[in-house]
Amino acid sequence: GQQLNQSPQSMFIQEGEDVSMNCTSSSIFNTWLWYKQEPGEGPVLLIALYKAGELTSNGRLTAQFGITRKDSFLNISASIPSDVGIYFCAGRSGAGSYQLTFGKGTKLSVIP
Amino acid sequence: DGGITQSPKYLFRKEGQNVTLSCEQNLNHDAMYWYRQDPGQGLRLIYYSQIVNDFQKGDIAEGYSVSREKKESFPLTVTSAQKNPTAFYLCASSSPGLAGSGELFFGEGSRLTVL
Repeated sequence: GQQLNQSPQSMFIQEGEDVSMNCTSSSIFNTWLWYKQEPGEGPVLLIALYKAGELTSNGRLTAQFGITRKDSFLNISASIPSDVGIYFCAGRSGAGSYQLTFGKGTKLSVIP
Repeated sequence: DGGITQSPKYLFRKEGQNVTLSCEQNLNHDAMYWYRQDPGQGLRLIYYSQIVNDFQKGDIAEGYSVSREKKESFPLTVTSAQKNPTAFYLCASSSPGLAGSGELFFGEGSRLTVL
């Protein structure tokens, strides 16, 4: 099946620093989604991207749909302790498809 | 409030027993999903259902069964045939949106531990 390579696997950063993570695929996707999961909870949708080249912000979070349609990036500016969690990317390859492919996640730790 | 409710939050089971996890949504979504999550792993699709009385196997359906008798409900049974059932189970739902681009919304998860 399709696979998404998400990197880095984990990050330790100082409070106030900016964060960047990305997902790449050998296949083309027409939708990219970014989720955040806190311990013991379900993932929460952060940003959805539907067009190649699209750049979308949600507060301090910004995500981009790569122009090749094979990658996506998530940036977090001025990190705060509550940003801690696991961030997942997910992609959908076909219109009408109900199945998403998930990356393995980036675990973010913020040092106060 | 609209959302997805999973129960129980925590469940312990002895080997050889079947167990059923509940998932209910009041979002009026057509599609529902079950995912399994293991430490350090992404989400793996067990089963999904696009409409009532219809469902399809995902990537790791062996040892699991589902039913979709109502739009709001999509229970998952972890059978004794599942070799390694201890995991965190996530239910999700979505509406088709534009051109099938609906986003998934997740419940809070159920953690199953086999003793």
